[in-house]
Amino acid sequence: EIVLTQSPATLSLSPGERATLSCRASQSVSSYLAWYQQKPGQAPRLLIYDASDRATGIPARFSGSGSGTDFTLTISSLEPEDFAVYYCQQRTNWPWTFGQGTKVEIK
Amino acid sequence: QVQLVESGGGVVQPGRSLRLSCAASGFTFSNYGMHWVRQAPGKGLEWVALISYDGSNKYYTDSVRGRFTISRDNSKNTLYLQMNSLRAEDTAVYYCAKDTAPYCSSTSCYGVLDYWGQGTLVTVSS
Repeated sequence: EIVLTQSPATLSLSPGERATLSCRASQSVSSYLAWYQQKPGQAPRLLIYDASDRATGIPARFSGSGSGTDFTLTISSLEPEDFAVYYCQQRTNWPWTFGQGTKVEIK
Repeated sequence: QVQLVESGGGVVQPGRSLRLSCAASGFTFSNYGMHWVRQAPGKGLEWVALISYDGSNKYYTDSVRGRFTISRDNSKNTLYLQMNSLRAEDTAVYYCAKDTAPYCSSTSCYGVLDYWGQGTLVTVSS
């Protein structure tokens, strides 16, 4: 099973600041990595798939990069609605796995 | 618009069974693979099961294989998860989710989940 390790566990930032979230895989997942956002009491929402493709309706301030084992989700300028938990997920090997999440909180 | 509505959750004793349903609308259900993903209270996300668009292929995570069965009725636009021999560690919110890939029959093309239901809580406790 591929293990995804996200860092940091918590990111404390102010609105307008840049957020950089990391996801590292225990073995190569090629570019088959997605990012999801989850707010309290809500279902996850797809942000990025295949490492860098934005899902439909996702604002351009969200971008993804990386390949192999190291990936990054960047939020260029945090909006109030962006404070949430973010999960990475691989679909290279079954069972697909998620990272443990990074919480982006208001500083 | 795409809607996925889960139902069937509740409190159940260890060793008993429960069946979850997910009613789909707003897209051609029979064209897409469907998933169940769960989230234990205060924890992260865990894949549970996947079924191909036509129901011919099913995949399970190890911890539920042999106890859970995923199925679908394309005539009713409904996804199911039959959960038997429930354990305390199965306690979670269960989400159904739609895959982006149409007409796929293997894990090689599935795995991007673009729509999710609101989830249904399953609590296994005596």
